[in-house]
Amino acid sequence: GENVEQHPSTLSVQEGDSAVIKCTYSDSASNYFPWYKQELGKRPQLIIDIRSNVGEKKDQRIAVTLNKTAKHFSLHITETQPEDSAVYFCAARGGSYIPTFGRGTSLIVHP
Amino acid sequence: DVKVTQSSRYLVKRTGEKVFLECVQDMDHENMFWYRQDPGLGLRLIYFSYDVKMKEKGDIPEGYSVSREKKERFSLILESASTNQTSMYLCASNPSGNYGTDTQYFGPGTRLTVL
Repeated sequence: GENVEQHPSTLSVQEGDSAVIKCTYSDSASNYFPWYKQELGKRPQLIIDIRSNVGEKKDQRIAVTLNKTAKHFSLHITETQPEDSAVYFCAARGGSYIPTFGRGTSLIVHP
Repeated sequence: DVKVTQSSRYLVKRTGEKVFLECVQDMDHENMFWYRQDPGLGLRLIYFSYDVKMKEKGDIPEGYSVSREKKERFSLILESASTNQTSMYLCASNPSGNYGTDTQYFGPGTRLTVL
């Protein structure tokens, strides 16, 4: 089955800095890669996703890039703000239609 | 707006008790999922269901069972609760199909403590 590795497990940045979270996947058939944000005490919510026919997608301060050859994808957050502090999960979904999640990255943005 | 609700936010049970966790979604989604969330381990799939009365094991089904008698409701059952089942349990749903329908909608979670 699919295996998703996510790094780093914890990321601490100063407000205004950029943050990058990286994930690798094992199944070359995976074609959908969502990112979820979970604020403290709240449910995970989709913030951005990318499909295998696209190399990059942006939505305001967040972007996701995908390298199918290397089987890795990354979340980029620019101009970080304290409200970006949360746990971020990447996931990969292939032919089984069931996503496999990474272990999560705890992002801390210091004011 | 999609709404996924879970019957309890916090639950405390004793070892050996039978525990029922309920999840209800109001968007007529075919697929429903139960995850377990533990620090450092991410979201691990326990069971999922793609239709009424249908169920499939996920990655960690041992010690759990599920029931889906109605489309909107998916129940997770701990037949005999053990302390190692103390965790946060998240339910999710999404519609069937392919492109553009992959977003999973999560419930608020149930934090279960087994004493």
